Amino acid sequence: EAGVAQSPRYKIIEKRQSVAFWCNPISGHATLYWYQQILGQGPKLLIQFQNNGVVDDSQLPKDRFSAERLKGVDSTLKIQPAKLEDSAVYLCASSSGTLGYTDTQYFGPGTRLTVL
Amino acid sequence: AQSVTQLDSHVSVSEGTPVLLRCNYSSSYSPSLFWYVQHPNKGLQLLLKYTSAATLVKGINGFEAEFKKSETSFHLTKPSAHMSDAAEYFCVVSAEGGGNKLTFGTGTQLKVEL
Repeated sequence: EAGVAQSPRYKIIEKRQSVAFWCNPISGHATLYWYQQILGQGPKLLIQFQNNGVVDDSQLPKDRFSAERLKGVDSTLKIQPAKLEDSAVYLCASSSGTLGYTDTQYFGPGTRLTVL
Repeated sequence: AQSVTQLDSHVSVSEGTPVLLRCNYSSSYSPSLFWYVQHPNKGLQLLLKYTSAATLVKGINGFEAEFKKSETSFHLTKPSAHMSDAAEYFCVVSAEGGGNKLTFGTGTQLKVEL
């Protein structure tokens, strides 16, 4: 079974530029998550989708970050404009969405973003 | 509300000796608890999870963890460390009523020496 796919793996941009990340979840998984992991910290949830609807985006900085999950499968996360403090690894995860709080989330390899 | 405290930011052991990574949790509801491992430049991999069944949970690569409600702990152990175990380990909690939101600890960096 293929895992969660993410691209690109690495991205370097200058501040005020825009950037987009792509995620393809495990086939059949209804729930998709985007996390931000700053160096030396644990991942922090940015947004959670159930199929193509948003369940939780309370920690998403909506003035610069946006995310969508068209057709309930792939998802993109965009940052516009980027700030220095956005330098982090952006992780995508998916879960079946059938077991509630006991569901296991499977993580992709992440995209390492450096903002100069 | 839910939270996790990993008591050690760095742990160093010799190859072949036991590993103990400590984790305490806080949750208003029945929790699910997970341990994930992250090797350099790789994604997070699930080691094991507790979901209110057996309190002693066995995971991959010889790791296990014991859920102790009275101590609100979920420590990760392995009888004999291997060089390949060197990585960062995260204790994670998810709670009923939390919408499957994972709350991560700050991580424990495990170093394994010859």
